[in-house]
Amino acid sequence: QSVLTQPPSASGTPGQRVTISCSGSNSNIGINTVSWYRQLPGTAPKLLIYSNNQRPSGVPDRFSGSKSGTSASLAISGLQSEDEADYYCSAWDDTLGGVLFGGGTKLTVL
Amino acid sequence: QVQLQESGPGLVKPSETLSLTCPISGYSFSSAYYWGWIRQPPGKGLEWIGSIIPSGSTYYNPYLRSRVTILFDTSRNQFSLQLSSVTAADTAVYYCARAISGTYSSFDLWGQGTMVTVSS
Repeated sequence: QSVLTQPPSASGTPGQRVTISCSGSNSNIGINTVSWYRQLPGTAPKLLIYSNNQRPSGVPDRFSGSKSGTSASLAISGLQSEDEADYYCSAWDDTLGGVLFGGGTKLTVL
Repeated sequence: QVQLQESGPGLVKPSETLSLTCPISGYSFSSAYYWGWIRQPPGKGLEWIGSIIPSGSTYYNPYLRSRVTILFDTSRNQFSLQLSSVTAADTAVYYCARAISGTYSSFDLWGQGTMVTVSS
């Protein structure tokens, strides 16, 4: 069902900067804002980024978001072991008339 | 402090109706926030089920629309999910969540989730 495409996996070493992509279309990312979530095993997702590049209170500035055309990216700088988690993008889709989530990216900290 | 906590049976028989509630503590339901249900099958990704806004308008995943009902209960300060004619494919962790005012896809507050298994 997901039409927001994320790479299934990503990896990096501590201190490194990694980016996770989210590819959509003109009916979702192209005209609506993107959110990003982090989900640790066995816990509920946590909002990291909303409105493409805004951080909720309490989210470190190591996390940043960007959007260009029909794609979006989440960047994590100063990678830490606790960043090892699943990451999801989301956006409203005007054709679907609902919220889409990406398939998720499993980030491994080597 | 605002908190959400899903409540409902953990086991539902096939063809029956799954019913969950999400009481909101520490916040009045009649606000500008939007509220939603999201689920996650074991080992899989997130799936949006639907959302309800303060006016009472609802928005449902078109793949589930024929089986889903989301309602407010302002007297109890909670919202609910009903999913009818369930099958094993509906087995998942179900989350209730709050969306940032004016957005549908930016859920900034989540319940801890409740596992619902569909099995006879």
